[in-house]
Amino acid sequence: KNQVEQSPQSLIILEGKNCTLQCNYTVSPFSNLRWYKQDTGRGPVSLTIMTFSENTKSNGRYTATLDADTKQSSLHITASQLSDSASYICVVSAAGTYKYIFGTGTRLKVLA
Amino acid sequence: SQTIHQWPATLVQPVGSPLSLECTVEGTSNPNLYWYRQAAGRGLQLLFYSVGIGQISSEVPQNLSASRPQDRQFILSSKKLLLSDSGFYLCAWSVRSYEQYFGPGTRLTVT
Repeated sequence: KNQVEQSPQSLIILEGKNCTLQCNYTVSPFSNLRWYKQDTGRGPVSLTIMTFSENTKSNGRYTATLDADTKQSSLHITASQLSDSASYICVVSAAGTYKYIFGTGTRLKVLA
Repeated sequence: SQTIHQWPATLVQPVGSPLSLECTVEGTSNPNLYWYRQAAGRGLQLLFYSVGIGQISSEVPQNLSASRPQDRQFILSSKKLLLSDSGFYLCAWSVRSYEQYFGPGTRLTVT
């Protein structure tokens, strides 16, 4: 069964600190993996997208990694800001389909 | 550039009333279109997707339906709303299943 699991479910950190969010998936055959940021009451916005051959991709203070062998991905946030408070969603798509498998997200809260 | 619109932004409807949510995409042709629902504090649940005009695939059997009357228009409907239909409804589009772009969402409260 295609699944995407994220951890932790929620996280609280102080402004300026770094954090890492985890995503494990069992989607096969793998096509690509994306990380989205969703502010409360808004639609998700893409942060990064990686295909099978990509190990790391950065977008400003956000760096995503992908290990296709272990089927794990992480999202590292550097020097967190209050505006980073949001839900972060890992999404994997299977090759040959139009569907996307969503994780339940990690809710991050950055405190001043 | 591509843009996706959803309306209304918020909606409060009584149980048993009909529903119509609309989504339109600009700046692209023949997109794949999706309807998702997100319950409070939960992940996104795929409701419907469409790969072309008049082509609708349903993921979750329920009292909702979807239609795609035009290439860049996707409509979510219900004849009679249930309390459990409350949630945050998101429309999204993609091309070739690579990047997926989401609309601003509609907050539906069924009372």
